[in-house]
Amino acid sequence: AQKVTQAQTEISVVEKEDVTLDCVYETRDTTYYLFWYKQPPSGELVFLIRRNSFDEQNEISGRYSWNFQKSTSSFNFTITASQVVDSAVYFCALRHGSSNTGKLIFGQGTTLQVKP
Amino acid sequence: EPEVTQTPSHQVTQMGQEVILRCVPISNHLYFYWYRQILGQKVEFLVSFYNNEISEKSEIFDDQFSVERPDGSNFTLKIRSTKLEDSAMYFCASSARRELNEQFFGPGTRLTVL
Repeated sequence: AQKVTQAQTEISVVEKEDVTLDCVYETRDTTYYLFWYKQPPSGELVFLIRRNSFDEQNEISGRYSWNFQKSTSSFNFTITASQVVDSAVYFCALRHGSSNTGKLIFGQGTTLQVKP
Repeated sequence: EPEVTQTPSHQVTQMGQEVILRCVPISNHLYFYWYRQILGQKVEFLVSFYNNEISEKSEIFDDQFSVERPDGSNFTLKIRSTKLEDSAMYFCASSARRELNEQFFGPGTRLTVL
């Protein structure tokens, strides 16, 4: 099975709260790539991060951090001190290493609303 | 900063009409993609294109769909006879190399079929 599950449909927080968006994936490949994209209300898809399956090191970029755990097939995304501008739909996506086309498989997305 | 562009931003058409959605990928990219997103749903892969041919297509990409790279810059998606269920946001994406595979997406074309 090749699947990405984002169980949280909608999350609402108040500005400055920390929030974690969950992503669980399924794949039989030993090599794969995971991504997060942001879709603000304007509709475009903005690339945030790519992670390779052979690199489990967590990553921090400003207020954003990602926790990749192969043991639980999860690639969670945390926003620290959330801001109103973080309000968007966030998609987690998977690409198989065996894919010769680069096709991305997206999760259903999590709508994050940050209230002032 | 280079970006993927798409035209038009919004297309309204009657059921049964042909539409062509246009994309200009980032200039040194080699892999091109179309995805679609029905309102409120997830983004779904339609087709990938490399070296002037389709490298993979999804079940959605039936005979009504076709893609073309008519020149060195444009990448088009044609729907021959639109159906109501084709109403969606269509995203074009490109990547420099398959392995690196940061796919950069265009702003999308919202297709409304009446």
